[in-house]
Formats: sequence, structure tokens, C-alpha cells
Amino acid sequence: EIVLTQSPGTLSLSPGERATLSCRASQSVSSSYLAWYQQKPGQAPRLLIYGASSRATGIPDRFSGSGSGTDFTLTISSLEPEDFAVYYCQQYGSSPWTFGQGTKVEIK
Amino acid sequence: QVQLQESGPGLVKPSQTLSLTCTVSGGSIRSGGYYWNWIRQHPGKGLEWIGYIYYSGTTYYNPSLKSRITISVDTSKNQFSLKLSSVSAADTAVYYCARDPRMGFFDYWGQGSLVTVSS
Repeated sequence: EIVLTQSPGTLSLSPGERATLSCRASQSVSSSYLAWYQQKPGQAPRLLIYGASSRATGIPDRFSGSGSGTDFTLTISSLEPEDFAVYYCQQYGSSPWTFGQGTKVEIK
Repeated sequence: QVQLQESGPGLVKPSQTLSLTCTVSGGSIRSGGYYWNWIRQHPGKGLEWIGYIYYSGTTYYNPSLKSRITISVDTSKNQFSLKLSSVSAADTAVYYCARDPRMGFFDYWGQGSLVTVSS
């Protein structure tokens, strides 16, 4: 199965700053079948990005995704207070679908 | 707006079978076009995809759990269910049901149901 490794484990930033989150796959993710989710405490994950770079319905344009092959990035251009959360990547190019271990974006 | 809601016992004894149901509202499972999934999250940990079912009854399971899983669908009740047999403490987790638009990612999720395996 494809193992996804996210870095850093924790990102300490201030509101208004740019956040860059990395997701690296143990083998190439076919057709850029990679998604990003946001999870806040006590809540279910929320789909942000699919197909590596397509924003899900209702997701603000400060969230963007990029990458292909084994290296993918989620960028939040200017952090809003509600963006402090844990972010997961997920690949769906090869069964079983797998998730990364998460990156926590915390307030500095 | 599609909504999913998990239900079932919050406590299961070791070696017994965990059973959860997901009720879908705001859309019909029978309409097709979606896979209906179970995903779990161990306390303080990441996410693990368990498997999915299509309205027709076709299933696809994570090989790591395949021998213990049964996912079924009841289109008349707009529900789908998970059974996980021979549970141990390692199966303690929050279990989510989620919708996949037949692409592999999950666009709608239930709120999650914590299941603890303990005697």
C-alpha cells in the first residue's frame, strides 16, 4: 500500500501568515489522485482539495493544492483564525486508499 | 444537503462483533453515483479506510481488515451498516461513515461514533 508522510508534524504560525504543508508518497500517486482534508477537534474531516489541485465546493480560494507523482503541497495563502486545525492528505490512486498522519497548524 | 449519521453501541466486549449503522438523509442511496464508506480514527491518531458499498450491494474492503468486515446496505431504510468481528482493544476508534462520489475521496462525512472495546 502507498504510505503518505506529511511534514512538518506541527506548524506554528500567526494569523495572516502563509502555511505550506507537504505530503510525500512512498510511490507515485496515479493521475494525481490526492485529496486534502481539514479536521478540527471533535469534528469529522472536511474535504478541501481533490485531484491534487481542485477545490471542493465552498472552500475559500486561500486554500490551494499542487504537486504530482510523489510530492504534493497544500498552501494556505493567509491564515484565518478558523484555519488552525489538523490537515490530512489522502491518496486514492491505489487501493487501499490511505491517509497521511496529519500536520497540525497551531497558533504561534 | 446530504447528511450522514452513525448509530450503534459505544461499548463492545473483546472477541464480540462491532455493529454500526449509517443513516443517510437529503439524498437516496438507491440513486447510485456514490460509494458509501466506513473510515475509522484511532484516538489521537490518523485515519484508516475500512471499505465501501454501492447501492447494488457491491463491496470493496481494505485487505488489512477484509477477513473481519461485512458492510451491507438497506436501500428501503436509506442506511448502510458495518460489522467488524472478533474485536480487540486495537479496534477502539471513532468510526465515520462517508460518501464517495465514485472517485475515491470523501465529500460528506457523519459526525463519528466512538466505539470502545473493553470488558
